[in-house]
Amino acid sequence: AQRVTQPEKLLSVFKGAPVELKCNYSYSGSPELFWYVQYSRQRLQLLLRHISRESIKGFTADLNKGETSFHLKKPFAQEEDSAMYYCALKPSGNTPLVFGKGTRLSVIA
Amino acid sequence: GAVVSQHPSWVICKSGTSVKIECRSLDFQATTMFWYRQFPKQSLMLMATSNEGSKATYEQGVEKDKFLINHASLTLSTLTVTSAHPEDSSFYICSAHNAGRPSYNEQFFGPGTRLTVL
Repeated sequence: AQRVTQPEKLLSVFKGAPVELKCNYSYSGSPELFWYVQYSRQRLQLLLRHISRESIKGFTADLNKGETSFHLKKPFAQEEDSAMYYCALKPSGNTPLVFGKGTRLSVIA
Repeated sequence: GAVVSQHPSWVICKSGTSVKIECRSLDFQATTMFWYRQFPKQSLMLMATSNEGSKATYEQGVEKDKFLINHASLTLSTLTVTSAHPEDSSFYICSAHNAGRPSYNEQFFGPGTRLTVL
C-alpha cells in the first residue's frame, strides 16, 4: 500500500535559517512525488514536483529512491513561508494523490 | 489557467437536510475529479474518485448512499451530503485532474466548502 509520512507536525525556525521538511514514502513502483502548500485561508496549491526538478520560491526537493524520501529544503526561510506543507504521492496516471499528514512551518521574525 | 471553483464556499444546514456542493473546472476539461474531506488541523482524506459519465469509486469507509457524487459533464462534479448530521461537519475539497500538457498529471484544487450541520 502507498503511504506518505511527514514526521513533524510543526516546525518552527527563525527567519534566515535553513528549513528542511521531511517526507518519506512507501510504494512498490515508481511514484510521482509532489509538495503542496496551503497558506492561511487559501486553497491548496502545488509547490513543486520531482519530475520538474525546479526551484520554486527558493524551495527544492530531491527524490532519493534509496531512502524513499522527498525532503523539502530552503536555505534561508522567510516569514511568508509560514504555511502548511503537504507531501503527496501519485502512484500513476489518473490515480488520486495520497497525502501525508502535513507539517506546519512557522517562521519567526 | 487550470482553475477549479467550488460552490458554495460555506453552508450551514439543519440536521437531516441534504446539501449539494458543486465543483467546476473553469478552463479545462476534467475527466476525473476527486473529493476530499479535511478535518481541522488534519490532512486531506480522499473520499471518492469521480469519473465523467460513470459511477464514482468510493474509498473504504465512505458511505456511497450518504455522499452522492454525480459527474455529469467534463467540467462539473457534485457532492450531495444526504441527511446530514453534525458529524458530517467538515471542510470538503474537490480536485480536478488535468491530463493535458504542460501540467500533465497535475491535480488542481478548489477552495473548499465548509459545511456546518446544526
